Amino acid sequence: AQSVSQHNHHVILSEAASLELGCNYSYGGTVNLFWYVQYPGQHLQLLLKYFSGDPLVKGIKGFEAEFIKSKFSFNLRKPSVQWSDTAEYFCAVKNQAGTALIFGKGTTLSVSS
Amino acid sequence: NAGVMQNPRHLVRRRGQEARLRCSPMKGHSHVYWYRQLPEEGLKFMVYLQKENIIDESGMPKERFSAEFPKEGPSILRIQQVVRGDSAAYFCASSPTGGEAFFGQGTRLTVV
Repeated sequence: AQSVSQHNHHVILSEAASLELGCNYSYGGTVNLFWYVQYPGQHLQLLLKYFSGDPLVKGIKGFEAEFIKSKFSFNLRKPSVQWSDTAEYFCAVKNQAGTALIFGKGTTLSVSS
Repeated sequence: NAGVMQNPRHLVRRRGQEARLRCSPMKGHSHVYWYRQLPEEGLKFMVYLQKENIIDESGMPKERFSAEFPKEGPSILRIQQVVRGDSAAYFCASSPTGGEAFFGQGTRLTVV
């Protein structure tokens, strides 16, 4: 069965530090990949997505992710985090049937000012 | 264009009662997905519906759970005879084409 692994359960950073959250998926075919963010008390919002083309994807709020097919990875990055980036981050892949998203368990990011 | 609306936001039910969770998709969206989030877990897919049809229900428990998306009105996730283990956050998402999905704020179900 397809699966998504997020390696970091909880990440704590100071403002201006650089961020990289790991995400690996299990499926080896054509993939649609997503990063969602959930701010406290709010709904999930799409940060960025990859369907095809340039493996370096730019998203909202200064986030980017790189699709590395050989490593089955789609890591999320941001050069300089802000306090307002404190949230939970979810990596997801579309299932083979194209009918659902398979989510990782999420990474909680805490940014101190 | 209002986002995906879920209600109620919080629902408390006693064991054995029924829970009905409602989801109004974004205007023009005919694809609806339901997910469940347990503590310390990511979102788990439950069911995918497309106006009046269930497309994929591979994530739905075989008993007590059902979902519908009628021609008119919201999508409903129904849980009969709730048990403590059903306590979770239930999220609905909608999509116009089956591609990018937009999520609601969720319904937090507590079974006491």
